Amino acid sequence: EAQVTQNPRYLITVTGKKLTVTCSQNMNHEYMSWYRQDPGLGLRQIYYSMNVEVTDKGDVPEGYKVSRKEKRNFPLILESPSPNQTSLYFCASSLDGRKTNQPQHFGDGTRLSIL
Amino acid sequence: DQQVKQNSPSLSVQEGRISILNCDYTNSMFDYFLWYKKYPAEGPTFLISISSIKDKNEDGRFTVFLNKSAKHLSLHIVPSQPGDSAVYFCAAYGTASKLTFGTGTRLQVTL
Repeated sequence: EAQVTQNPRYLITVTGKKLTVTCSQNMNHEYMSWYRQDPGLGLRQIYYSMNVEVTDKGDVPEGYKVSRKEKRNFPLILESPSPNQTSLYFCASSLDGRKTNQPQHFGDGTRLSIL
Repeated sequence: DQQVKQNSPSLSVQEGRISILNCDYTNSMFDYFLWYKKYPAEGPTFLISISSIKDKNEDGRFTVFLNKSAKHLSLHIVPSQPGDSAVYFCAAYGTASKLTFGTGTRLQVTL
């Protein structure tokens, strides 16, 4: 089954404790992306990657890091989480990320609470 | 600065009637638009898209209309069904491979 898998689905942690949210896709997609969803703000893009070893900032990259060492994986790293990073996070992938009829497929989300 | 706006946070429609969800954008560089549907505890799923060279795209019960001069697009669902109850996001691509989303509209289809 074609899917985007995020782990963990839920996490409660404390300020300053480094954490990583993993994202994996099994569709051989080149493009992967991270979003956060906050009430009244919709989904905002954090980082995206056009291919292995190629990453770019989205609209809200501050406080986050990403890496793309393999095509299938795109982890989101919070080196020193703060309460304003409490949010619902989504990973997505698509064939090539360009404006084609190949839409992005989303994972089911990771709810992070940072105390 | 919200470049993609969905001014109606919620909409309630009777089953069988038409649902019309609206979206406005400000960035004239946007040239490809999509609608996503999201159920609770799931990620968004793609519904329908439209290129800026078209003004209408239809897929079954779903039709998207684009008015470039007004920087406005709308999603029509006819007839509406209870299973359509979800949050709908419009989204747009600009010059880069960045996807900008609106704030979402919660649609409730009542019996």
